[in-house]
Amino acid sequence: GQQVMQIPQYQHVQEGEDFTTYCNSSTTLSNIQWYKQRPGGHPVFLIQLVKSGEVKKQKRLTFQFGEAKKNSSLHITATQTTDVGTYFCAGPAGNQFYFGTGTSLTVIP
Amino acid sequence: GAVVSQHPSRVICKSGTSVKIECRSLDFQATTMFWYRQFPKQSLMLMATSNEGSKATYEQGVEKDKFLINHASLTLSTLTVTSAHPEDSSFYICSARVDSPNYGYTFGSGTRLTVV
Repeated sequence: GQQVMQIPQYQHVQEGEDFTTYCNSSTTLSNIQWYKQRPGGHPVFLIQLVKSGEVKKQKRLTFQFGEAKKNSSLHITATQTTDVGTYFCAGPAGNQFYFGTGTSLTVIP
Repeated sequence: GAVVSQHPSRVICKSGTSVKIECRSLDFQATTMFWYRQFPKQSLMLMATSNEGSKATYEQGVEKDKFLINHASLTLSTLTVTSAHPEDSSFYICSARVDSPNYGYTFGSGTRLTVV
């Protein structure tokens, strides 16, 4: 079945350091989406990537979709304490929508 | 725009009772809603996909007789946990796709179910 894995599972960084999470799908995805879930909260949509090799930026966040459309990455430059949370990639498979395993980010002030 | 309202946010129930969770799309029509379950520090696991006016599609391993899903209108989907047991305690969350690249899938605020 559809599997979407993310690494690392957990990441602790000092405030100001960079952070990257990697997402790998067992199948080709028509698009990939990224979500952020704060502790105790629900997932919030960040961005959608559709094209092979696409790169999008949102302020300090850079999202990339792999050429084969089976992997993606999220990079945060100069992390801040407000970046704390779990970052999920997600993608459609048929009529369903599956989430990656998530990367929990802790930012140490 | 694109808000999904989910109720209740928290519920505690006794073993053997049933609990209904509602998700409403407030400013758009959701022909499809997805129901997820999330255990602490884990990812969201898709339980089922509900389609307005038809039977829900359940993921492998999810008991359809235990987790009853009804999608009676374009703005309301419900999940009923029947004969709840402590192992059903979890965070349940619904989502719907908004037909716009700016929204992706929008989520309800989730329901924390505790079965005692």
